[in-house]
Amino acid sequence: KAGVTQTPRYLIKTRGQQVTLSCSPISGHRSVSWYQQTPGQGLQFLFEYFSETQRNKGNFPGRFSGRQFSNSRSEMNVSTLELGDSALYLCASSLAEITGTYEQYFGPGTRLTVT
Amino acid sequence: KNQVEQSPQSLIILEGKNCTLQCNYTVSPFSNLRWYKQDTGRGPVSLTIMTFSENTKSNGRYTATLDADTKQSSLHITASQLSDSASYICVVHGGYNKLIFGAGTRLAVHP
Repeated sequence: KAGVTQTPRYLIKTRGQQVTLSCSPISGHRSVSWYQQTPGQGLQFLFEYFSETQRNKGNFPGRFSGRQFSNSRSEMNVSTLELGDSALYLCASSLAEITGTYEQYFGPGTRLTVT
Repeated sequence: KNQVEQSPQSLIILEGKNCTLQCNYTVSPFSNLRWYKQDTGRGPVSLTIMTFSENTKSNGRYTATLDADTKQSSLHITASQLSDSASYICVVHGGYNKLIFGAGTRLAVHP
């Protein structure tokens, strides 16, 4: 069974630009969550999508948005990039919503560098 | 304030030795607590998931405990191996929109 895949793996962008990251969950998983990981703040929860609907949301500005398609694949968009957005962005998939006790499986992440 | 604090921040042990990592939380309400292992440059891997009613859960050489009354959890690693070198992250789910991560404990196992 294929794991969670994320594309691209590495990305370099300039301040003010926007970026879209993609996440393909494990087949059959309907929940996709997104996380930001930085050396200073550690792992932080961005949002979760389940059956194409945002179900949970962390404390991030509106520049961070996402969506989920009918095949459960998800995209995350960051607009007007700032230097502080440089981070490893991880997605995780699960059979059901993260408020339950289903296992979450993480992808390898996308390393975003903003210059 | 909803917080998850882990200790120690970092730890060095010799191969074959045991160790215990701590996680204290103030998240309320409480849904579940998870321990993850994250190797450098890779995504976290789930070790255990514990709900309010569970006191102990094992996954091979990893054993997690939970005291919901004192809001403390621990992760015990038995007979450590070099491959246990990683960051261990405690995560508390407190219901909708409430997913709080600890800063992690960086474990180094030396031969």
